[in-house]
Amino acid sequence: GAGVSQTPSNKVTEKGKYVELRCDPISGHTALYWYRQSLGQGPEFLIYFQGTGAADDSGLPNDRFFAVRPEGSVSTLKIQRTERGDSAVYLCASSYDLTGELFFGEGSRLTVL
Amino acid sequence: AQSVAQPEDQVNVAEGNPLTVKCTYSVSGNPYLFWYVQYPNRGLQFLLKYITGDNLVKGSYGFEAEFNKSQTSFHLKKPSALVSDSALYFCAVRATRTGANNLFFGTGTRLTVIP
Repeated sequence: GAGVSQTPSNKVTEKGKYVELRCDPISGHTALYWYRQSLGQGPEFLIYFQGTGAADDSGLPNDRFFAVRPEGSVSTLKIQRTERGDSAVYLCASSYDLTGELFFGEGSRLTVL
Repeated sequence: AQSVAQPEDQVNVAEGNPLTVKCTYSVSGNPYLFWYVQYPNRGLQFLLKYITGDNLVKGSYGFEAEFNKSQTSFHLKKPSALVSDSALYFCAVRATRTGANNLFFGTGTRLTVIP
């Protein structure tokens, strides 16, 4: 498809486990963003990539969270030693340039039991 | 630091009436401003943006927004509401200065259009 693709759409895991969430942006978009959205809240910025490098990772809550984009396209958000408080919808978005709007995927809903 | 305020958690309007969803922002320098809509269990969809130029911007589904620099506002409007407009609306701001490229979102306003 032509939109931002996120997998899995739903992930249920146990406290302490490791989780990977994948994002495939729109072809040609150089900027890629990860956000986290809790119920009833606005999206919370996590990290932003320009190309392969993390241009701004100031939103990552702690060192259990890490994201990569090794070839400047697909990105993976990695969460170690998951906690119940990590439960949320993780949104990925991409944009063509700095003035452009972000195009969002449908999100990956993470539930930590 | 940049921030966005959406002072109303909930807006109710009768079908056919005009609607306004309020947004004010705080950012260093000139802002890029955006409105997004979110339907239940769906991702965010872009409605419109202000980058520069005309203060009144028109977007998808008949929505428009007016940039007011003196009041630091970017209210979303539509002349005649439809029941299908019922959704969660988010205002967002991005600073234009180099290195501040993340888009910062408000907490959202739930719009309910009553038939």
